[in-house]
Amino acid sequence: DTAVSQTPKYLVTQMGNDKSIKCEQNLGHDTMYWYKQDSKKFLKIMFSYNNKELIINETVPNRFSPKSPDKAHLNLHINSLELGDSAVYFCASSPQGDEQYFGPGTRLTVT
Amino acid sequence: AQTVTQSQPEMSVQEAETVTLSCTYDTSESNYYLFWYKQPPSRQMILVIRQEAYKQQNATENRFSVNFQKAAKSFSLKISDSQLGDTAMYFCAFMILNSGNTPLVFGKGTRLSVIA
Repeated sequence: DTAVSQTPKYLVTQMGNDKSIKCEQNLGHDTMYWYKQDSKKFLKIMFSYNNKELIINETVPNRFSPKSPDKAHLNLHINSLELGDSAVYFCASSPQGDEQYFGPGTRLTVT
Repeated sequence: AQTVTQSQPEMSVQEAETVTLSCTYDTSESNYYLFWYKQPPSRQMILVIRQEAYKQQNATENRFSVNFQKAAKSFSLKISDSQLGDTAMYFCAFMILNSGNTPLVFGKGTRLSVIA
């Protein structure tokens, strides 16, 4: 069974569109995260949720909106996509104060 | 704020040889974890090894071991008997250990190539 899954794995879209990336974890973890990996491979935290509550919101444009319908799911919705949004987005989950388990990543390409 | 520095953007090693990847970090916290993650071309993030800062003993996992120097804020990864499958990006990461949930802070990565 996949521990942390993301859909889709690849997403190609045009500038100005709105898209969503879904994340699900079956590990029973309380905390979920979204990270962005840019074209230079640098990974940076975007958001963190604990039991459906937003804990961390780094300096991310308002066009990015995370939504957590329950503690097993954390989706990322992006409005008005821009070229600079092209990246790999990773979802991760963790039990409290412990290591994080990553999903397979979603490669977003904005044309 | 915490920072993690990996000073070697790229490294290469012959198969079966040993290689050491460097990582330094900066923090005023006393309780934290340090990790090495491997990212092969498949882009999956794979945990290689972890070290709790309160433990003096260096962590080991099969061919992977760390040299943790807390006073120097250094956390290097040694890969022994390198294999072709070790070819990947390696990221050093830091996480504060507290009652809450803190994100990982990553270094910029080291691209390791294992040569046959």
